[in-house]
Amino acid sequence: NAGVTQTPKFQVLKTGQSMTLQCAQDMNHEYMSWYRQDPGMGLRLIHYSVGAGITDQGEVPNGYNVSRSTTEDFPLRLLSAAPSQTSVYFCASSAFNEQFFGPGTRLTVL
Amino acid sequence: AQSVTQPDIHITVSEGASLELRCNYSYGATPYLFWYVQSPGQGLQLLLKYFSGDTLVQGIKGFEAEFKRSQSSFNLRKPSVHWSDAAEYFCAVGALIGNKLVFGAGTILRVKS
Repeated sequence: NAGVTQTPKFQVLKTGQSMTLQCAQDMNHEYMSWYRQDPGMGLRLIHYSVGAGITDQGEVPNGYNVSRSTTEDFPLRLLSAAPSQTSVYFCASSAFNEQFFGPGTRLTVL
Repeated sequence: AQSVTQPDIHITVSEGASLELRCNYSYGATPYLFWYVQSPGQGLQLLLKYFSGDTLVQGIKGFEAEFKRSQSSFNLRKPSVHWSDAAEYFCAVGALIGNKLVFGAGTILRVKS
C-alpha cells in the first residue's frame, strides 16, 4: 500500500513550457486535491475532485488544468509555466475528510 | 469567508518545556478542525482532528488540542517537547464531507537544547 505518490520530486521549467505533475493513490479514495505551498501562506487549494469525471476549482486555479479519468489518478497540468508558479505542489486523497498527502513536487520556473 | 489564523510565525521552546500553538478560525458552518505537522522536505502528517464530541482531542506523538467554540480557537498543546518535534505545524478547517481544506500560514517550531 503506497498511499499517495507524486512524480517527479523536482522539476525545473522555463517560462512558457508546459508539464504534467502526476499523482496516484491506491486507497480507493473518491476525493483528491491539489495544493500549492508557498512560504508564509500555508497550503492553498488549486483544484479538487469528488470522483472520477468530476473536478472543480479551488482557491487558486488559474494557470492549471486537471482531469480525473480514473479513481486512482489525478494529474495536474501547467499550461504555460510562469515564475509565479514556482512552488511546492502537494496532492492529497481523502475518504472522510482525513486527507493523506503525497511527498510533494518542488517546481522551479525560470 | 473561511479562514484560519496562526498568529505565531516562529516559536522557540526549550526541550522538555511545554508548548502551545495558537489557531483561530472563521467558518460559516460547523467547523471540522485539523492539525498537521510537516518536517523539512516532507509531506504533511495528520496529528489530530476534531469533528464533534469531547472538545479535548488527543493525537499522535503526545499532542492534544482543545476546541473552544466561543473563542473560535483550536490550540495545539504538548506538555513536554522533544527535539524531534521541531517542524512546521499547520492548522486547517473544512467541511465534514469533502476535501476543501483551508490552511493557516503555519507555525515553525524550533526546539533548543
